[in-house]
Amino acid sequence: DAGVIQSPRHEVTEMGQEVTLRCKPISGHNSLFWYRQTMMRGLELLIYFNNNVPIDDSGMPEDRFSAKMPNASFSTLKIQPSEPRDSAVYFCASSLQAQANYGYTFGSGTRLTVV
Amino acid sequence: GQSLEQPSEVTAVEGAIVQINCTYQTSGFYGLSWYQQHDGGAPTFLSYNALDGLEETGRFSSFLSRSDSYGYLLLQELQMKDSASYFCAVNQAGTALIFGKGTTLSVSS
Repeated sequence: DAGVIQSPRHEVTEMGQEVTLRCKPISGHNSLFWYRQTMMRGLELLIYFNNNVPIDDSGMPEDRFSAKMPNASFSTLKIQPSEPRDSAVYFCASSLQAQANYGYTFGSGTRLTVV
Repeated sequence: GQSLEQPSEVTAVEGAIVQINCTYQTSGFYGLSWYQQHDGGAPTFLSYNALDGLEETGRFSSFLSRSDSYGYLLLQELQMKDSASYFCAVNQAGTALIFGKGTTLSVSS
């Protein structure tokens, strides 16, 4: 099992540009999560999907952020337009279900720098 | 809302035992999880407690007291490779994990 796969690993972009982060969850996992990590705010939940349906997007900072999960094996997180305060490590994670007892498997993350 | 409190830093020496505490406030509490994250790496799942008591997995154990809204992670026979950040996290039924700010553990020889 290749685990949760995220791309790109690093992204440097200019303020105002569109950024798309990608995630392939573990096959058979029904829940997918997007988290953002910064020193100041720690690990923040942005959005999570269950069976490809968004369940809770209350953590999405503002309208500049959007996430999709068109099928069970792919999700995207888009920021348009990007701002310097969006600089962070973005993690995608998947789990058999949202119940935490199975544990979440995290991808290696995308380190985003907006200049 | 939900909130979690854990110490920001803990230091210990190889071979020692260290306990990382976590207190939480949440409605509809379902369970307490612990994750480990090495510098530059991804969080990895360590343990999950839904019921009161101690769960042991090798050198690591996790404890939960639902009545006190409190749990801890116990690391025994510390090794240098245990130097990492440790996060407690809570969830309500059907919701995703909310993480604490993390505790940085430094193990010295």
